Amino acid sequence: GAGVSQTPSNKVTEKGKYVELRCDPISGHTALYWYRQSLGQGPEFLIYFQGTGAADDSGLPNDRFFAVRPEGSVSTLKIQRTERGDSAVYLCASSPGGVAYNEQFFGPGTRLTVL
Amino acid sequence: ELKVEQNPLFLSMQEGKNYTIYCNYSTTSDRLYWYRQDPGKSLESLFVLLSNGAVKQEGRLMASLDTKARLSTLHITAAVHDLSATYFCAVDTVHSNYQLIWGAGTKLIIKP
Repeated sequence: GAGVSQTPSNKVTEKGKYVELRCDPISGHTALYWYRQSLGQGPEFLIYFQGTGAADDSGLPNDRFFAVRPEGSVSTLKIQRTERGDSAVYLCASSPGGVAYNEQFFGPGTRLTVL
Repeated sequence: ELKVEQNPLFLSMQEGKNYTIYCNYSTTSDRLYWYRQDPGKSLESLFVLLSNGAVKQEGRLMASLDTKARLSTLHITAAVHDLSATYFCAVDTVHSNYQLIWGAGTKLIIKP
């Protein structure tokens, strides 16, 4: 079946611009996660959705970052007034949800470059 | 503070050799995950270990979990070049609201 998909695969933008990154999770997965990953590091948690609601947004670095999941499926990560330090690979993952265990399935990522 | 530490962070080895990557974590957790990441690619789930003493094997990789020691190992047997990648371990726990806490990754290079 289809895995997690993310668009675009690459995004180059200028400092100060607004960007949207999209994630399409595995069908039926209720939990959705956004991470960002810098070169040579592990994933850094940003936000977690259970259904439509953000269950944990403690990883969002500041109020320039916002994410939505209006229908409990596709999610969009929005970054306002981008800064060069926002350059990273943004990863989305989904899991079936529940607390039995939390194996997450990752998309290919969006590489964001802020010039 | 919840911490996951991997050791070593970098490993270069010859094909055919055996080696072990270690993952220590700082809090009680019965659930540990191993992922693989190839350069420029996303993360691929390898193993989910859900109880003390759990052992899982896939090809030349074997993962085990000792919850009393808060330690997981990823053992590579007779390494081949195709196993070159970065390997991450992660744990989740009620203390992290079941969010995955990630290690820094072990970059494994296997030379022909």
